[in-house]
Amino acid sequence: GEEVAQTPKHLVRGEGQKAKLYCAPIKGHSYVFWYQQVLKNEFKFLISFQNENVFDETGMPKERFSAKCLPNSPCSLEIQATKLEDSAVYFCASIHILNTEAFFGQGTRLTVV
Amino acid sequence: RKEVEQDPGPFNVPEGATVAFNCTYSNSASQSFFWYRQDCRKEPKLLMSVYSSGNEDGRFTAQLNRASQYISLLIRDSKLSDSATYLCVVSDTISSGTYKYIFGTGTRLKVLA
Repeated sequence: GEEVAQTPKHLVRGEGQKAKLYCAPIKGHSYVFWYQQVLKNEFKFLISFQNENVFDETGMPKERFSAKCLPNSPCSLEIQATKLEDSAVYFCASIHILNTEAFFGQGTRLTVV
Repeated sequence: RKEVEQDPGPFNVPEGATVAFNCTYSNSASQSFFWYRQDCRKEPKLLMSVYSSGNEDGRFTAQLNRASQYISLLIRDSKLSDSATYLCVVSDTISSGTYKYIFGTGTRLKVLA
């Protein structure tokens, strides 16, 4: 598709529950980047993929966060045992070629209660 | 020092005013530069890519100063609809061979009637 599709738009989880977020990049784009945006506007890089391969995972809190991009499926970001501080908006960005513009999905607002 | 720094604002300006934002970056080898606009925690949308020679799009002008490592955005004849947060984004190839888009924390602009 011509838009980055993120689902769900909103997700509410109790502390300790699992959360799974999805991102379908623009068709033909090779790169997917995940970011977490918390209240103070800071975009924290989590992980990036080049097609189905992990490109850079230096931002991932590995104990509870995992992500995948499998062929013919939306990319996913999963948080096991959510904590209150995981409450944020999670954006994915789809990029055709490095150094060109990133197109963002509408984000998933995760609220952990 | 943060990799990409912006004055958070808010910049409160009257309609019709000219306003300028700067953004400084720490990596002299940074490759690509962008200004994004973000409304009310929605997804960032590309406003302009920033080219070495500077570029203009209607009321918006972007400049890059590699020697001083900053980029700027000038908005002329401000409209109420320009009220948003303006994000500076810099792309870097990291020494390990990976690649990042690094966000500034954004500058908030409020255009007042």
